[in-house]
Amino acid sequence: GQQLNQSPQSMFIQEGEDVSMNCTSSSIFNTWLWYKQEPGEGPVLLIALYKAGELTSNGRLTAQFGITRKDSFLNISASIPSDVGIYFCAGQPFSGNNNDMRFGAGTRLTVKP
Amino acid sequence: DAGVIQSPRHEVTEMGQEVTLRCKPISGHDYLFWYRQTMMRGLELLIYFNNNVPIDDSGMPEDRFSAKMPNASFSTLKIQPSEPRDSAVYFCASSLGAEQYFGPGTRLTVT
Repeated sequence: GQQLNQSPQSMFIQEGEDVSMNCTSSSIFNTWLWYKQEPGEGPVLLIALYKAGELTSNGRLTAQFGITRKDSFLNISASIPSDVGIYFCAGQPFSGNNNDMRFGAGTRLTVKP
Repeated sequence: DAGVIQSPRHEVTEMGQEVTLRCKPISGHDYLFWYRQTMMRGLELLIYFNNNVPIDDSGMPEDRFSAKMPNASFSTLKIQPSEPRDSAVYFCASSLGAEQYFGPGTRLTVT
């Protein structure tokens, strides 16, 4: 239970295009986090969201905590080649302890120059 | 801050050998996590510590796996004996609140 469904699994886009990916769950989450992982490295935290409806930006990245508390999305505007990587959503279930973190399966992003 | 430090970055060993992975968390963080990542199963939480005490080890696959945190700045994950199916990337992460910060990982290959 309380698994995260992340979509799409992969995206192939042209440089300059905008990207959108999302995570959904059947349960309520307290916190949503978005990470990026590049080959040979660990996941790097991009954005953290703590309140329903919260919209937060980090440069060209924007993420939102869904009003229902069961989903979150990440948008990347004007993609560039260095955006390539795997993007993971992660969340803390409402019924879990502060360190019960669930991870999505990831969205693999490829950007063609 | 140096971030989470893991060593070694790569380990190749033969089946049956003992493997020890090491982690230094970010100074001041009171939680430390060990994860395993594979293509088939994604990121799996193995065990986590709070203030050096193991809190939840339900993700540790078998008795062959053990983890220790003798002090606030060091943790080890040991596999004895190792098997080919243990081949994966092992990550250590630390946190003070909800935000977990990951190390670069150790890529383990067991032949």
